[in-house]
Amino acid sequence: EAQVTQNPRYLITVTGKKLTVTCSQNMNHEYMSWYRQDPGLGLRQIYYSMNVEVTDKGDVPEGYKVSRKEKRNFPLILESPSPNQTSLYFCASRDGTLGPYNSPLHFGNGTRLTVT
Amino acid sequence: KNQVEQSPQSLIILEGKNCTLQCNYTVSPFSNLRWYKQDTGRGPVSLTIMTFSENTKSNGRYTATLDADTKQSSLHITASQLSDSASYICVVGVGPRESNYQLIWGAGTKLIIKP
Repeated sequence: EAQVTQNPRYLITVTGKKLTVTCSQNMNHEYMSWYRQDPGLGLRQIYYSMNVEVTDKGDVPEGYKVSRKEKRNFPLILESPSPNQTSLYFCASRDGTLGPYNSPLHFGNGTRLTVT
Repeated sequence: KNQVEQSPQSLIILEGKNCTLQCNYTVSPFSNLRWYKQDTGRGPVSLTIMTFSENTKSNGRYTATLDADTKQSSLHITASQLSDSASYICVVGVGPRESNYQLIWGAGTKLIIKP
């Protein structure tokens, strides 16, 4: 089954304790992206990657890091989490061969992060 | 400033009834508009995409419209079912920009279908 898999689904941590949220897709998509979703706001892009070893900042990159060493994996790293990073996080991928205008994003089921 | 606004924020209707969700945008240059459905606890899933030249597009009981002159889109759901309970998100593509293809996301409309 074609899917984007995120882990963990739920995560509670304390301020300053480094964490990693994993994301993997099995659709051979070149494009991957991380978003956060907060109540009353639209999805906000954190980082994106057009291909392996190519990453770039989205709209809200502060406090986050990413890496793209393999095509299928795109982990999100919080080196020193703070309470304002409490949010629902989504990883997404897109088929680059169809062009950005024709390809929908395929989302994982989200990671709910709480930082106390 | 590029913005997408959706209304209403939330909506409760009885099963079997129709409803219409609204999306107003101020995005330039406009590329396309897509509607996503987000079930509780899941990621968004694409329902339909509208390009500049399209006025209406249907996907089963879902019909999307686009008025590029007034910069408005609507999503009409016919004969609602309990499984339609979800958030519906409107997102507009800013183009042309191949490098990232910027997307402007609405905050969504939360639809609840009551039996």
